[in-house]
Amino acid sequence: DGGITQSPKYLFRKEGQNVTLSCEQNLNHDAMYWYRQDPGQGLRLIYYSQIVNDFQKGDIAEGYSVSREKKESFPLTATSAQKNPTAFYLCASSIFGVQYFGPGTRLTVT
Amino acid sequence: QKEVEQNSGPLSVPEGAIASLNCTYSDRGSQSFFWYRQYSGKSPELIMSIYSNGDKEDGRFTAQLNKASQYVSLLIRDSQPSDSATYLCAVNMISFSGSARQLTFGSGTQLTVLP
Repeated sequence: DGGITQSPKYLFRKEGQNVTLSCEQNLNHDAMYWYRQDPGQGLRLIYYSQIVNDFQKGDIAEGYSVSREKKESFPLTATSAQKNPTAFYLCASSIFGVQYFGPGTRLTVT
Repeated sequence: QKEVEQNSGPLSVPEGAIASLNCTYSDRGSQSFFWYRQYSGKSPELIMSIYSNGDKEDGRFTAQLNKASQYVSLLIRDSQPSDSATYLCAVNMISFSGSARQLTFGSGTQLTVLP
């Protein structure tokens, strides 16, 4: 079954803790992306990676970090430097410029 | 700042009517345009892509592109209650940093189809 998986579906953390969100794809797509969506708003790009071991900052990268050690995996960490990480996080992968999304992780920080 | 603008709605249409969703964008060099549907609490799902001026039809959906006017629209014919969702317009634009092209999303139009 090909697709993009994100885990967990819901994540709760206390303020000041780092938190890592998982994204895995078995579509053999080269490019992967992380977006953040706040209520009533569109998607904002956090980080993206076109190939293994390389990634670029998006529009709102401050307070986040990523790694791309394997083609299939692109984990995102929201660090304690991210002032308000509570949001819906979406991972995507792309082929021929068309992006497909995983189911998302809803992160709540209290 | 490169932008993609959509009317936030909500847009309400009766069942069986045509729903018309509009999107304008600021980057004249954009070449790829996408419509995604997002149900409440779910992730976006690609429903249409369009790259050339004119109309592209897929079932009840028609995407229309006019690059000269920097305008892309989505028509949904014979609207059904199951079409009730937020529709996101996405345009491949020069990034904020100016280093590459990336998808920029509008804030979405919320559509409600009334039975």
